[in-house]
Order: sequence, then structure tokens, then C-alpha cells
Amino acid sequence: DQQVKQNSPSLSVQEGRISILNCDYTNSMFDYFLWYKKYPAEGPTFLISISSIKDKNEDGRFTVFLNKSAKHLSLHIVPSQPGDSAVYFCASNTDKLIFGTGTRLQVFP
Amino acid sequence: DTGVSQDPRHKITKRGQNVTFRCDPISEHNRLYWYRQTLGQGPEFLTYFQNEAQLEKSRLLSDRFSAERPKGSFSTLEIQRTEQGDSAMYLCASSLGTGLIHEQYFGPGTRLTVT
Repeated sequence: DQQVKQNSPSLSVQEGRISILNCDYTNSMFDYFLWYKKYPAEGPTFLISISSIKDKNEDGRFTVFLNKSAKHLSLHIVPSQPGDSAVYFCASNTDKLIFGTGTRLQVFP
Repeated sequence: DTGVSQDPRHKITKRGQNVTFRCDPISEHNRLYWYRQTLGQGPEFLTYFQNEAQLEKSRLLSDRFSAERPKGSFSTLEIQRTEQGDSAMYLCASSLGTGLIHEQYFGPGTRLTVT
């Protein structure tokens, strides 16, 4: 039972354009979400989080949007850079993290 | 470097052998977590500690797995009688305090290969 879902396994975006990564969840009790970025052979790195009392949180080039009624969140990266190429995981925090399966982002010149 | 550290980074072992991994959390963090990640999947929760107390264990953690956190500092994860299905990346994370608003910070992981 996948409680956090990332339905797009990969995304390819040109440098300078917007990257939009999507995540859906099934449990309406989830109220805190995080995005992590992972390079090969490294542990996940925390990027940005959002609480359910907000519908948007912004940090530099990264913005996370939360639509509670749709149980959907998205991460926007603007502008995308080649160094953003990595696997991105969304997760809900219920004391422990419940991760999606990840989306591999490729930013090409 | 004050991040989460894990040792060893890589471990190759034969089926049936025991292995032990170590995690050193960020020093002021009182929560420590273990996750396992296999190819194409996100990290899956195994267990966590608050200080030295083990508060939750996943059903993924069979009786061949044991974790400790003596004195509430570093933690060890031992796998007895390893099986090929144990091959995975084992990730440790730590966080400050309780509640949902504290982000977890991950170490680089230990990649286990069971032959």
C-alpha cells in the first residue's frame, strides 16, 4: 500500500526552464511534507518542507505547493540548472518519513 | 564535518554471515532513524530511537535485525545470517527534538551486497 506516490519516474527539462515534480498521498491525516534530493551513492539531502496550514512555501529557486483537497503536492524549480539533475523524493512525516518512489530529473543544456 | 556519518560505506559479505553497521548522528540530535533503500524505491523505515530508547520497529525488521543506541549517541544495526534479499543501501538519519516539524538529516549510507 503506497501511501505516498510519485507517478512520474523521470522528467527531462531544458536548463533555465521550470521543473515541476508531482506527488500524491492517500492519508488525509498526513500534515507535514518534505522534499529530498538524492545524488548517486549519497544519502538524501533535505530541500524544502511544508506544513498543512500553508499552501505554499518558497526557498530561493524551490517552491512547494500543497493542495490538501486533492491530496497533492508539487515542487517547482525555477530556473532549472544542470546541477539539479538528481532523484527527488517527496515524503510525509509521521514521526517516521514515508517516501514516494522518486522522480529522476535530468536538466540538459 | 558535523553531519551524520556512517561506517562502513560499502560491505560485501557472503550469505549466512553477520554484519554490523554504525551511525553517528549530528551531536545535538536526540532522534536517530534507520531506513533501507532498494533499487527503484524510496527509503523504507526500519526503526527509530529517541535518545537510547527504541520507540518503533517496522514489520520489515525481521528477528535477524537488531539495532541499539547505547547512551543515546551512536547507533549500530546488526543483521544476522544475512540473505541475498538483505542487499540494499542502509541509511541513517537524525533529527532534533520531537514532533513533526523537525527535518531528518541523512548520512551517506552503507551499501550492503550479500553474495
